[in-house]
Amino acid sequence: DTEVTQTPKHLVMGMTNKKSLKCEQHMGHRAMYWYKQKAKKPPELMFVYSYEKLSINESVPSRFSPECPNSSLLNLHLHALQPEDSALYLCASSRDTGDNTEAFFGQGTRLTVV
Amino acid sequence: GENVEQHPSTLSVQEGDSAVIKCTYSDSASNYFPWYKQELGKGPQLIIDIRSNVGEKKDQRIAVTLNKTAKHFSLHITETQPEDSAVYFCAASSWDKLVFGAGTILRVKS
Repeated sequence: DTEVTQTPKHLVMGMTNKKSLKCEQHMGHRAMYWYKQKAKKPPELMFVYSYEKLSINESVPSRFSPECPNSSLLNLHLHALQPEDSALYLCASSRDTGDNTEAFFGQGTRLTVV
Repeated sequence: GENVEQHPSTLSVQEGDSAVIKCTYSDSASNYFPWYKQELGKGPQLIIDIRSNVGEKKDQRIAVTLNKTAKHFSLHITETQPEDSAVYFCAASSWDKLVFGAGTILRVKS
């Protein structure tokens, strides 16, 4: 089983709303990631969690707040987003953060900020 | 940091022909190179990968080659089928991060 499950699949939110994206994996992976993907572009790394601790923040604005409640779950809390934040948000997981480990992606949440 | 360049940006082939996508990377410390296929409305799917101690790897119709000296790696798809149509991304793993190429839109015409 190499499945990473993301919910919701689609989300429309206003600029004053607060919402959360959820990601779950049951592969026993200890590294989890959030990526942002704009249309016709490659995924861009936002955050890396290793053993439930934030290890990399790629200078992401504070209106994006990640959380890793346990080794299987990863959330991304959204607040006061801008229309330019509309994108596909992808979660991924890997066995560890070291080089040489396969990363598996979820199907993504298509976010539209209005 | 790592920089990955990918060519071509679009590739159209006739069904049954071969397709080749090429990537170059900048960080000689990178040692893991995966390839992802992304279909419309879906997340990237890992299709094959190669590590720096291997020069070539094959899985049925797809193969990947790596030249560490020249810092480039390539994806080869033989006997292409319409369902191979998708966006393909190469990536290089450096300092716990995957850095992606810009992507190649592959169209297989039947």
